[in-house]
Amino acid sequence: NAGVTQTPKFRILKIGQSMTLQCTQDMNHNYMYWYRQDPGMGLKLIYYSVGAGITDKGEVPNGYNVSRSTTEDFPLRLELAAPSQTSVYFCASSYEGWWESFFGQGTRLTVV
Amino acid sequence: DAKTTQPNSMESNEEEPVHLPCNHSTISGTDYIHWYRQLPSQGPEYVIHGLTSNVNNRMASLAIAEDRKSSTLILHRATLRDAAVYYCILRDGSGSARQLTFGSGTQLTVLP
Repeated sequence: NAGVTQTPKFRILKIGQSMTLQCTQDMNHNYMYWYRQDPGMGLKLIYYSVGAGITDKGEVPNGYNVSRSTTEDFPLRLELAAPSQTSVYFCASSYEGWWESFFGQGTRLTVV
Repeated sequence: DAKTTQPNSMESNEEEPVHLPCNHSTISGTDYIHWYRQLPSQGPEYVIHGLTSNVNNRMASLAIAEDRKSSTLILHRATLRDAAVYYCILRDGSGSARQLTFGSGTQLTVLP
């Protein structure tokens, strides 16, 4: 049972480039989330999904897009990378909205 | 979402019990109290959650005040591996809340 898997673990982007952060879970969870964590800070929600085909904005969605075509996958897209998007990104999932959440190991992104 | 208040940092000696407090004076009747921890360079990890009664699991115990306006996470014998940031979070069990809202948490230092 792999849990929540994120790829890549590290990435350096140039300003203006695009990339997709991948997240997949094998626990058949309905809810999936993307968070970012800046140095020394708590996590902030970017987007979340309550099931396939349904997504909604979190606290800091600007500059990001998501899709949820399957229960398992919830990719996060950065279209025009900016230095302000330098952060560690965490994907999480839970069976129901108030149940325990399981987190991936994170993707450390640097935009230069 | 109701807010929680935690001390910024705490210290403990190895193999001694640790009591991590959390205040949540605006908690509603359907809010579950969740605790997560984040070890250095890792994603958050679920620790324990409860509603009204005290809870125990293999990692920790959760003591909830009778009026539910505060709670305490108890690590019975702290180890060096328990050094982490501990987050106290409220989650609405009625289903309306869809995500974890992280504050700044308590940085626990365990001294050998």
